[in-house]
Amino acid sequence: DAKTTQPPSMDCAEGRAANLPCNHSTISGNEYVYWYRQIHSQGPQYIIHGLKNNETNEMASLIITEDRKSSTLILPHATLRDTAVYYCIVSMNYGGSQGNLIFGKGTKLSVKP
Amino acid sequence: DTAVSQTPKYLVTQMGNDKSIKCEQNLGHDTMYWYKQDSKKFLKIMFSYNNKELIINETVPNRFSPKSPDKAHLNLHINSLELGDSAVYFCASSQTKGAGGYTFGSGTRLTVV
Repeated sequence: DAKTTQPPSMDCAEGRAANLPCNHSTISGNEYVYWYRQIHSQGPQYIIHGLKNNETNEMASLIITEDRKSSTLILPHATLRDTAVYYCIVSMNYGGSQGNLIFGKGTKLSVKP
Repeated sequence: DTAVSQTPKYLVTQMGNDKSIKCEQNLGHDTMYWYKQDSKKFLKIMFSYNNKELIINETVPNRFSPKSPDKAHLNLHINSLELGDSAVYFCASSQTKGAGGYTFGSGTRLTVV
């Protein structure tokens, strides 16, 4: 079962920042927070991941609380092409059964003009 | 160049048939996976495999079997197809050790009639 809780849906105006929350209160010390998204009819796409520190890449920023029990994915300037289901996943970052990604229901983000 | 490629993209077949879906990755990753996404859009892991270990999700019927001729390929064989096998199947790959996420293929939509 997924170890994260996300709101089922969110709306965001085009050009504004989209802030997607995720709760992972049972995360263990060696588990990372991963974010993926799935645009309609496509395969999931890796966005970003982090352990303790905040992370930023060309797609998004990841803010992890100090107690690591929750995080927020930030898309700084959402576009219509960012409409997708966003998945927050906690996992050890190595393969095998412990490193497998377990997807929950995710948050359906709708970016509106 | 496509990083993780699956063939075919669409597959329609009759109940009872045996079929295969092929997956190839050119990323040099050492672990590959198969996921199933059903009509309710839940993504569930079926297998993870590297040259040392095959991990099978216990809920996967033994009619499903992964076959890996080499590190870059993980094919999915399905025997005696059933209506409930209709879904989108995604292949993915990752590097066992180290940072970064999974790279997914674009999916194979299997319809059993």
